[in-house]
Amino acid sequence: AQTVTQSQPEMSVQEAETVTLSCTYDTSESDYYLFWYKQPPSRQMILVIRQEAYKQQNATENRFSVNFQKAAKSFSLKISDSQLGDAAMYFCAYRSLNAGNNRKLIWGLGTSLAVNP
Amino acid sequence: EAEVAQSPRYKITEKSQAVAFWCDPISGHATLYWYRQILGQGPELLVQFQDESVVDDSQLPKDRFSAERLKGVDSTLKIQPAELGDSAMYLCASSQERRNEKLFFGSGTQLSVL
Repeated sequence: AQTVTQSQPEMSVQEAETVTLSCTYDTSESDYYLFWYKQPPSRQMILVIRQEAYKQQNATENRFSVNFQKAAKSFSLKISDSQLGDAAMYFCAYRSLNAGNNRKLIWGLGTSLAVNP
Repeated sequence: EAEVAQSPRYKITEKSQAVAFWCDPISGHATLYWYRQILGQGPELLVQFQDESVVDDSQLPKDRFSAERLKGVDSTLKIQPAELGDSAMYLCASSQERRNEKLFFGSGTQLSVL
C-alpha cells in the first residue's frame, strides 16, 4: 500500500525568505500523480501544485516549485519570497493511477507553516 | 471559476440527533468524494462516487453514516445518530475523469456534536 510521510509537523519562515517543505512517499507503481495542497485557517483545501510522475521536469507555479526525485521517492515543495498569506497547513498527497485502487488520494499528515513578519 | 458548493457551513447538533450535509459538485464532474478531517490531521476518505454509483465506501461507518448521489449530480451525507466523535470538518470534492484530473474542494461543513 502507498504511504505519504511529511516529517516536519511545523515550520516557520521569515517574510520574503524561502522555505522548503519535505515529503516522501512509498509506492511500487511507476505512474502516479503527486500534489501539494494548502489549507489556510478557513479550512478550504486549495491545490498548490501538481507533478506527474512520468515527467522529469519539476513543476512550478509562480513562487511555488517542487523538487521531484522519483528514484528517492521524494517530493519537496519550495516556497520563494514567502508572504504572510502563505501561512497555512500544507498537505502532500499521492494519487494512484491504478483503476483497481479507485485512484485513491493518499494524504500526508501535513506541515503547519508560519510566516513571520 | 466554478466551485464546489457545500451547505451548511457550520452545524451544531446534540448527540443522538440526525444531521445531513449537502454538496453540489462542479458541473460535469463525474467523481464526487466525501472526506472527514479532524483538526490537525489529513482528510480521510469516507465515500467516493462515480456518477451515481458508490465505488469506495470502505471507511464509511455504515451503522450510522449514509451517502447518496441519486441523479449523479449533487450528494447528501447523513449521520444518524450523531456521536461526540463525529465532530470534524466534512469536505466534499469533485473531479473530472481524465488522466490529469485534480480534486476541487468545497469550503466544508464544520460539525460540532455536543
